[in-house]
Formats: sequence, structure tokens, C-alpha cells
Amino acid sequence: EPEVTQTPSHQVTQMGQEVILRCVPISNHLYFYWYRQILGQKVEFLVSFYNNEISEKSEIFDDQFSVERPDGSNFTLKIRSTKLEDSAMYFCASHRGTQETQYFGPGTRLLVL
Amino acid sequence: SQQGEEDPQALSIQEGENATMNCSYKTSINNLQWYRQNSGRGLVHLILIRSNEREKHSGRLRVTLDTSKKSSSLLITASRAADTASYFCATAEETSGSRLTFGEGTQLTVNP
Repeated sequence: EPEVTQTPSHQVTQMGQEVILRCVPISNHLYFYWYRQILGQKVEFLVSFYNNEISEKSEIFDDQFSVERPDGSNFTLKIRSTKLEDSAMYFCASHRGTQETQYFGPGTRLLVL
Repeated sequence: SQQGEEDPQALSIQEGENATMNCSYKTSINNLQWYRQNSGRGLVHLILIRSNEREKHSGRLRVTLDTSKKSSSLLITASRAADTASYFCATAEETSGSRLTFGEGTQLTVNP
């Protein structure tokens, strides 16, 4: 069964450094998302992406964040200058059509020191 | 209170018993999805129920949706120790496209 995959599974970085989190959504899916979950808290929406552009973003998704779909398979989240409070599990999700199941990847655990 | 609140926050039962978790939300929705998360791991999709549906089944899972009360419930029958996990409801609000708003989750512990 097709799955959403994410790399790396864990990343440790120094405050102020740039990180790129990578996702490969399910191949025939058209809608892509990034969510994050700070330890012990609920999952929060960051950004949605459709037709090669951002369709919606949350207040969390400020100028330090960007997303890109550089080719037909990858979907990336970049954090330009990481802060301590960016430490969280980051999930990528995708779905094929509107109002369909969103499938989540296994997540990237980011730790900012 | 927030969109997608689960009740109870924690539930501990014995293997073989049924587990019921509830979710309440505040806005009109297109659909509601239930997910499971083992500690520190990814989100596994369980069931999607659309706003025009009242009940859905999948194996030992039964989900109900009452849009008049803005609430949903997840029933796991004949629970197993392997069902131990956190369970989240997530709503796709009518005004917010398909992005999901998650609740705080219910931590289910099934004791062998």
C-alpha cells in the first residue's frame, strides 16, 4: 500500500541554522500539508499546498518557513533560522481529492539546541 | 473550549472491554477523521466520516457523527493490549478547505 515517507526521521540542529525537512507524498495525490506536534501537545496545521502554490497557512507559518515542490515527487519544508521553540515532530500529509482521507507520514523529530 | 475536544483525556480498560471516546467541535464541518498515534510515532488514519453520514464501521471500530450536537464518538470493541495508543479526532471545517484541526486526544490504555 502506498505511503507518505519523510526524511530524516530525526534531526538535531543548532539554533539559527537552516533545516530542510523532506517528504514524498503518495504519488497520485494532489494536496499536500505540513503539520507539527510539539511534545505533549496536539497536532497543529502549518501550511497546505495545491497546484504548486500555498493554498492556506497558519499564523505559525511565518517568514522563517517556506515550502517547495521541486519536482514531481518531493515536498519540502524549510525553516531558515531555527529557534528553540521550533523543536517538534513535523508531519507531512497528502490526499488525492477534496474531502478525502489525509494520509500522514511517520514524521521528522526536530530538536533545536 | 476548542475545536475538536476529546473526552475523556485518558481511559484505562481491561482487554476484551469496549472503549468509547468522544469528540466535540464547534464549527460546521465537511468531514471528521479519527487517527491513532502510538507514543512518539506517526498518525495512522482510522476512519473518515462525512457530514452527511451518521455512522461508519471498520472492523472493530465504529464511528458515529451527530452534526446537530457537533459531536462524534469512536467505539473500539473487544479491545486488545495492542490498541493502547492516543486517539485523535480531526475536523475539516467548511470554511477552511481540507486542512485538519486536531483535538487534544484521548490516551487509551488497554491492560492485558
